Amino acid sequence: QQQVKQSPQSLIVQKGGISIINCAYENTAFDYFPWYQQFPGKGPALLIAIRPDVSEKKEGRFTISFNKSAKQFSLHIMDSQPGDSATYFCAPCNTNAGGTSYGKLTFGQGTILTVHP
Amino acid sequence: KAGVTQTPRYLIKTRGQQVTLSCSPISGHRSVSWYQQTPGQGLQFLFEYFSETQRNKGNFPGRFSGRQFSNSRSEMNVSTLELGDSALYLCASSFRQGDEQFFGPGTRLTVL
Repeated sequence: QQQVKQSPQSLIVQKGGISIINCAYENTAFDYFPWYQQFPGKGPALLIAIRPDVSEKKEGRFTISFNKSAKQFSLHIMDSQPGDSATYFCAPCNTNAGGTSYGKLTFGQGTILTVHP
Repeated sequence: KAGVTQTPRYLIKTRGQQVTLSCSPISGHRSVSWYQQTPGQGLQFLFEYFSETQRNKGNFPGRFSGRQFSNSRSEMNVSTLELGDSALYLCASSFRQGDEQFFGPGTRLTVL
């Protein structure tokens, strides 16, 4: 059962451009929607996350847009920089105690972002 | 505050052997989760421990097991290694179950 679908698999943008990565999920119990960034040889690091009570959250150049009815959320990277070149994962989670998926991050397949200088 | 540490960072084993990986969470964190990362399957949840008890388990065979100690440090064990067990094993800690998870650098396991 593929609960989380992430697209695109890879993305190439020019420096200064906008990078957009999408994530679709099936489990309506998810209530926490993070994006992780992973560099080669490193573990994933939390980039930005959103709760379903808001439709958008912005932190610096990074924005999450959330559409509860469509069960989708996306990551927008404005003014993309070569240092943003990494693999990005969505990993929604149920943070309410009691469910079988409680506390378990369900990762998308990842998007390899390359930002050309 | 020190981050999540995992030891060893790299490991080479042969089929049939067993292996133990160690994870030290961020100080004060009581929940530890383990994930397997492979090119084909991506990042998959193995199990989570909180207060020395396994609270959640992913869809992995019984060869994969773990435990957590009273100081919140955790170990995972894989017995009867198979070639397909070659992967990056990641440990993540959080203050409690359901909180933001912080990942360690992982242990790269190669099974020959």
